[in-house]
Amino acid sequence: EVQLVESGGGLVQPGESLRLSCAASGFTVNSKYMSWVRQAPGKGLEWVSVIYSGGDTYYAASVKGRFTISRDNPKNTLYLQMDTLRPEDTAVYYCATLTDGNYFGYWGQGTLITVSS
Amino acid sequence: DIQMTQSPSTLSASVGDRVTITCRASQSISSWLAWFQQKPGKAPKLLIYKASILESGVPSRFSGSGSGTEFTLTISSLQPDDFATYYCQQYNSYWTFGQGTKVEIK
Repeated sequence: EVQLVESGGGLVQPGESLRLSCAASGFTVNSKYMSWVRQAPGKGLEWVSVIYSGGDTYYAASVKGRFTISRDNPKNTLYLQMDTLRPEDTAVYYCATLTDGNYFGYWGQGTLITVSS
Repeated sequence: DIQMTQSPSTLSASVGDRVTITCRASQSISSWLAWFQQKPGKAPKLLIYKASILESGVPSRFSGSGSGTEFTLTISSLQPDDFATYYCQQYNSYWTFGQGTKVEIK
């Protein structure tokens, strides 16, 4: 059974950094396209970043240059390093698999990041 | 960037009603469209992919149609468990979601 469990959320001040983790089970993270999607409080869904099975990475314009997606194959874990955080980065962050590299199939439960002074 | 626009933003309906949600893309996305259901405090749940293919385990009262720039999600007979927010998502070029349609009790 596929399971994704995010961790690492919390309250940080603007300009600070945070690293999110997404522990996967039921499959290996390097066998699928893996992504982060976020949802600001009361708002819609926004794709943030993707890492392909081959290792290529892509980012939404809103986070490019500040966020870094990576994975640790032995730990079967996906990461999102978030630097220079802004108040507008406040959101629930979900990790998700991309079925056939296309649509979001499996989702974690999400972890809340609050950026505020 | 491809923009996705859903209508309506909110829909009031009763149990048993037929409900239709529309999603329009700013350019052609062929059939590269998915629909999700989200309930408060929960992760989105995949309902439909490739515009009209029902995900395994999803009730048959849900259906999707369309291609190019205009798509619809239909719930043939609304059930109490269906009151939620629905999102369309294109995957023709990267990934973009619509702003969501909240289906509420009339």
